[in-house]
Amino acid sequence: QSVLTQPPSVSAAPGQKVTISCSGSSSNIGNNYVSWYQQLPGTAPKLLIYDNNKRPSGIPDRFSGSKSGTSATLGITGLQTGDEADYYCGTWDSSLSLFGGGTKLTVL
Amino acid sequence: QLQLQESGSGLVKPSQTLSLTCAVSGGSISSGGYSWSWIRQPPGKGLEWIGYIYHSGSTYYNPSLKSRVTISVDRSKNQFSLKLSSVTAADTAVYYCARGLYCSGGSCAGFDYWGQGTLVTVSS
Repeated sequence: QSVLTQPPSVSAAPGQKVTISCSGSSSNIGNNYVSWYQQLPGTAPKLLIYDNNKRPSGIPDRFSGSKSGTSATLGITGLQTGDEADYYCGTWDSSLSLFGGGTKLTVL
Repeated sequence: QLQLQESGSGLVKPSQTLSLTCAVSGGSISSGGYSWSWIRQPPGKGLEWIGYIYHSGSTYYNPSLKSRVTISVDRSKNQFSLKLSSVTAADTAVYYCARGLYCSGGSCAGFDYWGQGTLVTVSS
C-alpha cells in the first residue's frame, strides 16, 4: 500500500485527453517536488515531468503536470496508442523518495 | 548523453548478499547537484526506492531497508554500487540505478536517467 494514492487504471480513446491523479499529504507532496514517470512494458521508467510541472528535453507538450496542495495531476492530451503504459508519480518525504502505486493507461 | 548500466549477479541464495554495480558513462558521477539512486521493482508491482548516494558522498536509505543496505561510490571508475544483505525471496525484483536531478536538502526534482534494469532472483 503506497503512501501516494493513484487510480489503478484509466482509459480514453485516441485523440482524447486523460488525467491521472496522485494524492498525498502535507509531509510529502505538500512540501516537495512532484515528478511523473512513464513505464512502457519491459522497459525502465522514463521521466515525463519534474519539479511539479517541468518537462525534460524531448518530452512533448502533450504531457503536463500540476500540483495543488497535497495532490498532483498528470495530463495527457491527444492520446496515442503508444501512450499505453504504466504511469507513476513520485515525491519525497523527510529525505525518503516515494512513488505512487502506478496507474495503467489504456488507449481504447 | 548520460548512460547508466547495471551489472551483477542475477541469482542470489537466501540469506546471502546481493551485490550490484552501476557504471556511469557520458558524465561524471562527481558532478554537483545530482544523486545516484537504486530503485527496485518486484515482478508485476510498483517502484520502491532503496537509497541514494549524493555527489558529496552522503547516503540516504529507505528506513524499511536501512539495516541491510550499503551504497558506495568508486569515483576512479565512475560507478556506484549496492549491497543488500540477508536477502529473502521478497527481494526478488528488477533493480534499477538512476540519477537524481537538482538535488538539495535530501530531495531531488526527479530521476532523469535510468539504467535498463537487471533482474535479481533470490532462490536456493
